[in-house]
Amino acid sequence: NAGVTQTPKFQVLKTGQSMTLQCAQDMNHNSMYWYRQDPGMGLRLIYYSASEGTTDKGEVPNGYNVSRLNKREFSLRLESAAPSQTSVYFCASRGTADYGYTFGSGTRLTVV
Amino acid sequence: EDQVTQSPEALRLQEGESSSLNCSYTVSGLRGLFWYRQDPGKGPEFLFTLYSAGEEKEKERLKATLTKKESFLHITAPKPEDSATYLCAVQANNQGGKLIFGQGTELSVKP
Repeated sequence: NAGVTQTPKFQVLKTGQSMTLQCAQDMNHNSMYWYRQDPGMGLRLIYYSASEGTTDKGEVPNGYNVSRLNKREFSLRLESAAPSQTSVYFCASRGTADYGYTFGSGTRLTVV
Repeated sequence: EDQVTQSPEALRLQEGESSSLNCSYTVSGLRGLFWYRQDPGKGPEFLFTLYSAGEEKEKERLKATLTKKESFLHITAPKPEDSATYLCAVQANNQGGKLIFGQGTELSVKP
């Protein structure tokens, strides 16, 4: 099925560990985004990539890095996880203006 | 600063009891206002896009309207399957397609 695929769906990390969240879309979209969702805070933009080969910081980039591997894939890396990074992470891609974003199903990350 | 505020935070309705959700926004130049539905454990799902004041869009029991300062999502005769969190987001001009989201309204419809 066409859409945005995120892996893994769940992850528990210890403080200081690193990991990469993977995201791939098969809709030939140019723009891709990483958001985090926390209770009472809504969705906040971490990083985005307007097109292949470019990345930019969003509202809350500290502690994260991203890689736009190709047009399909956009990964998010936590180099040294902290409990404050416990959240649900969503990847999204943007097609035509009318439809805004298409979201993945999310990665629920817990840092202990 | 571009900002989106949704109210109420939570809304409980009886089946068939119509109501409205509010989304107030400030944005330097509105490119579009989006409504999404989010079910527990899932990613947001697109509902509507509105572009200019006075515009309205409908889908089943939902109708979205837009003014220069706010948008309303009207729910007519809701059913339990309408229970979800509804998210509002704005896209400003010349912002690389970034969406700014409100905190959402959690809707619960009881039979």
